[in-house]
Amino acid sequence: YVLTQSPSVSVAPGQTAIITCGGSDIGSKGVHWYQQRPGQAPVLVISYDGDRPSGIPERFSGSNSGNTATLTISRVEAGDEADYFCQVWNSGTDHYVFGTGTTVTVL
Amino acid sequence: QVQLVQSGGEVKKPGASVKVSCKASGYTFTNFGISWVRQAPGQGLEWMGWISTYTGNTNYAQKSQGRVTLTTDTSTSTAYMDLRSLRSDDTAMYYCARGELPDPFDIWGQGTMVTVSS
Repeated sequence: YVLTQSPSVSVAPGQTAIITCGGSDIGSKGVHWYQQRPGQAPVLVISYDGDRPSGIPERFSGSNSGNTATLTISRVEAGDEADYFCQVWNSGTDHYVFGTGTTVTVL
Repeated sequence: QVQLVQSGGEVKKPGASVKVSCKASGYTFTNFGISWVRQAPGQGLEWMGWISTYTGNTNYAQKSQGRVTLTTDTSTSTAYMDLRSLRSDDTAMYYCARGELPDPFDIWGQGTMVTVSS
């Protein structure tokens, strides 16, 4: 099972960043999103399509339907500059799969 | 606070083995499984496998089968990842992360850099 993300997204401060994760019938799976700042370990920012863990700003939201899951970052700040990875549990193989990753650059 | 603390970086020669540790604190170790994830320099995340800290059951990624062994020591709340027959393309940052199947990983270790070089 393959999860495809666009390699990069550039956004001005205060604007909205939209990051997509494509996969066959991904809408039937629970999608999780991780933020990885340079030199740091990943951090869970969205679980099960749209749930925000404690401490994650409301500016982060997610949705999932059909063949595309989406992570939306509203009112982007400089600190949001990072790599973002989607992840699913593939019940067909009983394995986790990560997306290819998207680098968000804040202009 | 809840945290996973990993062992320090390693430099190994091709063909050798490496064992990375991941010590949990701030929660009941056996309530959550541990996954291992690696990241080659400049690359994405690759899930390697998972171990139940309660039963010791394991689930390995296909690519890990045969070279990776995951274990735990509940007396010290520590998980271990053993990688054998190291190759240059095993050079990567290795992370442990907390989570039960099929849930996401809510806590990550700081990472352990393993460098394989002759």
